[in-house]
Amino acid sequence: DTAVSQTPKYLVTQMGNDKSIKCEQNLGHDTMYWYKQDSKKFLKIMFSYNNKELIINETVPNRFSPKSPDKAHLNLHINSLELGDSAVYFCASSQGTGGVIQYFGAGTRLSVL
Amino acid sequence: QKEVEQNSGPLSVPEGAIASLNCTYSDRVSQSFFWYRQYSGKSPELIMSIYSNGDKEDGRFTAQLNKASQYVSLLIRDSQPSDSATYLCAVKLRPSTDSWGKLQFGAGTQVVVTP
Repeated sequence: DTAVSQTPKYLVTQMGNDKSIKCEQNLGHDTMYWYKQDSKKFLKIMFSYNNKELIINETVPNRFSPKSPDKAHLNLHINSLELGDSAVYFCASSQGTGGVIQYFGAGTRLSVL
Repeated sequence: QKEVEQNSGPLSVPEGAIASLNCTYSDRVSQSFFWYRQYSGKSPELIMSIYSNGDKEDGRFTAQLNKASQYVSLLIRDSQPSDSATYLCAVKLRPSTDSWGKLQFGAGTQVVVTP
């Protein structure tokens, strides 16, 4: 039973399109995250939600909009996709904002053509 | 200056030898330190956490922390081909009034264990 699951695993799309990535965790955690890993393997935080409240919002273009309908779900919607958005996006969760991130989702590999 | 720095490698290690990975961080209020292992095409997995100065051992892994030098390292003893992966150092800042203590990652060190 997967702790943090995200869909889709692969996303190939054209520039200018809008796409969404979904994440769900069954660990009962109250904090969820989106990380972006670029081609150089650098893993950088984008957003974090605690109890459905946005608590970390890094300098991410406002084309990226996270949404947390409840504590177990965190989705990421991306408008007007650009070539530079191509990366692997990982979802993660922890218990509390000070909690350890033990589990990441399997990742969504986004390729913008 | 990058907040968490690692040598990107690749670090080539003969099977059975000790792999030594280093990580430095810039923020003195960093509170918690982690090592994640990431196999190619997979997600990071937590292998070690360390919170106070000194050594912490878990199986073949030893994490070492020196807060005065802002330095954390990972030793892998008796390296196996299955240890070939990228190892990510991560540092968590102490929460403050303007920070929720986010986790900052280094770019990772690629380790290749050769039979």
